[in-house]
Amino acid sequence: DVKVTQSSRYLVKRTGEKVFLECVQDMDHENMFWYRQDPGLGLRLIYFSYDVKMKEKGDIPEGYSVSREKKERFSLILESASTNQTSMYLCASSTRQGALRQPQHFGDGTRLSIL
Amino acid sequence: GQNIDQPTEMTATEGAIVQINCTYQTSGFNGLFWYQQHAGEAPTFLSYNVLDGLEEKGRFSSFLSRSKGYSYLLLKELQMKDSASYLCAASRYALNFGKGTSLLVTP
Repeated sequence: DVKVTQSSRYLVKRTGEKVFLECVQDMDHENMFWYRQDPGLGLRLIYFSYDVKMKEKGDIPEGYSVSREKKERFSLILESASTNQTSMYLCASSTRQGALRQPQHFGDGTRLSIL
Repeated sequence: GQNIDQPTEMTATEGAIVQINCTYQTSGFNGLFWYQQHAGEAPTFLSYNVLDGLEEKGRFSSFLSRSKGYSYLLLKELQMKDSASYLCAASRYALNFGKGTSLLVTP
């Protein structure tokens, strides 16, 4: 079974802090994704990566950056946290084989609160 | 552009059949995914359609009409554990998710 592990289940940070959310997958997947999930808005794509050191903006990249230095690890960075970034953050991965037809496997999520 | 619509909430009775509809307008469309998400948990993959027609997988089936930009998820013999949010997602370079349909199964 694919395992996608997010470093924290719950996290509380202060406005202006630099926040790192870590995600690790153990299935040698090429593709990795970061989403945020908010009530009434659903899952929205922040950034994704198709390979090491590659990154692509999703639908809502403002205020975020990412890092993919190793294939198994994809980090989401909030450069200067703001209260509107309080949300559930979900990481996902998928294999490149069959390209876009492969399901994404999700981590359990990090519920981030910015005070 | 990308636009995915699905009903916000549905209620059905244990043992019954329920159909959750999804319409999409997605440029570069490659296929349609359905995910299930229980409260406080990660989404889990249910089904994928790339060609028109019905895909059956046990109690769950999913249908796609590419020409109509329409899909549905059919859940048969509903069980209480099927109470969850069901997410429709159109595949392009990444997944574009709808806002989800919260299904409540009642006794």
